[in-house]
Amino acid sequence: EAGVTQSPTHLIKTRVQQATLRCSPISGHTSVYWYQQALGLGLQFLLWYDEGEERNRGNFPPRFSGRQFPNYSSELNVNALELEDSALYLCASSPVLAYGYTFGSGTRLTVV
Amino acid sequence: QQQVKQSPQSLIVQKGGIPIINCAYENTAFDYFPWYQQFPGKGPALLIAIRPDVSEKKEGRFTISFNKSAKQFSLHIMDSQPGDSATYFCAAASKVNNKLIFGAGTRLAVHP
Repeated sequence: EAGVTQSPTHLIKTRVQQATLRCSPISGHTSVYWYQQALGLGLQFLLWYDEGEERNRGNFPPRFSGRQFPNYSSELNVNALELEDSALYLCASSPVLAYGYTFGSGTRLTVV
Repeated sequence: QQQVKQSPQSLIVQKGGIPIINCAYENTAFDYFPWYQQFPGKGPALLIAIRPDVSEKKEGRFTISFNKSAKQFSLHIMDSQPGDSATYFCAAASKVNNKLIFGAGTRLAVHP
């Protein structure tokens, strides 16, 4: 069974640019979660998508947004990039309303 | 009330020792408590999880102890090995918002 896949692995952007990160969940999982992990810090909840709808949002500004496609894959968009957005962005998937998160390996976003 | 407090921040043990990592929570609605293991450059991987109706759960060398009245839970790693050197995160979730709230993480080093 293929795990959660994220692309790209690394992304370097300059301030003010936009970044788009992609996630493909495990087959059969309909919920996708996004987390931010800044260097040396814990995992901060960003967004939860289920059945194409945004179900919950963490304490992040509106320039962090995303969507979920009919095949349950998801995109995270970060607009007007700031230096402090540099972090590992992790995507996880789970079956509907279950707690068994499986994480991908993440996208390392560096803003210069 | 949504926080999960984890300690210690870092831990060094000798091979064969039993590192213990502790977590505490406030929200009594939490009903799922997993532990994740993360190696550098990788996403977190689910190690073991417990529900509040159980006081202890063992899987291989990993044991969760759960104290519902104290709102605390801990991870014990029996016969620790250098390959266990990683960052460990506790987490908690509830049916209300179906997202994992993570502790800050514990960096474990097991010396040969």
